[in-house]
Amino acid sequence: ETGVTQSPTHLIKTRGQQVTLRCSSQSGHNTVSWYQQALGQGPQFIFQYYREEENGRGNFPPRFSGLQFPNYSSELNVNALELDDSALYLCASGGIQGTQYFGPGTRLTVL
Amino acid sequence: GESVGLHLPTLSVQEGDNSIINCAYSNSASDYFIWYKQESGKGPQFIIDIRSNMDKRQGQRVTVLLNKTVKHLSLQIAATQPGDSAVYFCAETAIISGGYNKLIFGAGTRLAVHP
Repeated sequence: ETGVTQSPTHLIKTRGQQVTLRCSSQSGHNTVSWYQQALGQGPQFIFQYYREEENGRGNFPPRFSGLQFPNYSSELNVNALELDDSALYLCASGGIQGTQYFGPGTRLTVL
Repeated sequence: GESVGLHLPTLSVQEGDNSIINCAYSNSASDYFIWYKQESGKGPQFIIDIRSNMDKRQGQRVTVLLNKTVKHLSLQIAATQPGDSAVYFCAETAIISGGYNKLIFGAGTRLAVHP
């Protein structure tokens, strides 16, 4: 077990709705990153948070946003959901230039 | 759980045989590489890592080889067991800001171990 937890496990939303996914990072790690994994593909980097600020972003539109809290927990928010947002959303925690450890993911289905 | 990697290349091996999973990476400036194992319905699990100043690293039943000349990475699993059945991803790092990095994943390979 990595010590990274995510909630909820599964979620079903409809197009146009908003969703918030949550992550609790592993103790001692100061970054949290979010990845989107579509079925049959490798995870794609969404963004990373360090000291409660966005530290880098992948090729995702602004309707994907996040927060990191002082206790290193984190949220991923997605507005105006589209069908293509259906995926497994993974949270990973890590340190500088080190391995990132993943949580179990949240499976989001957009209908 | 829902399957990961429905259309990924598959490596089928007999239990007890050695497995070799290959990966090509894209960024010659990457200095850190990681192999992950992902079982159905779960997040990627760290297996082994290697820095760019090394060409080989061994763990328990696993060995990673790095060939920077051709930008190729391989994972060798000795005495493959049914519990090794999963999708395997290689990942390279790319610096984003302040020395921190993001992971860039390869396409993945499904390993199927038969008794």
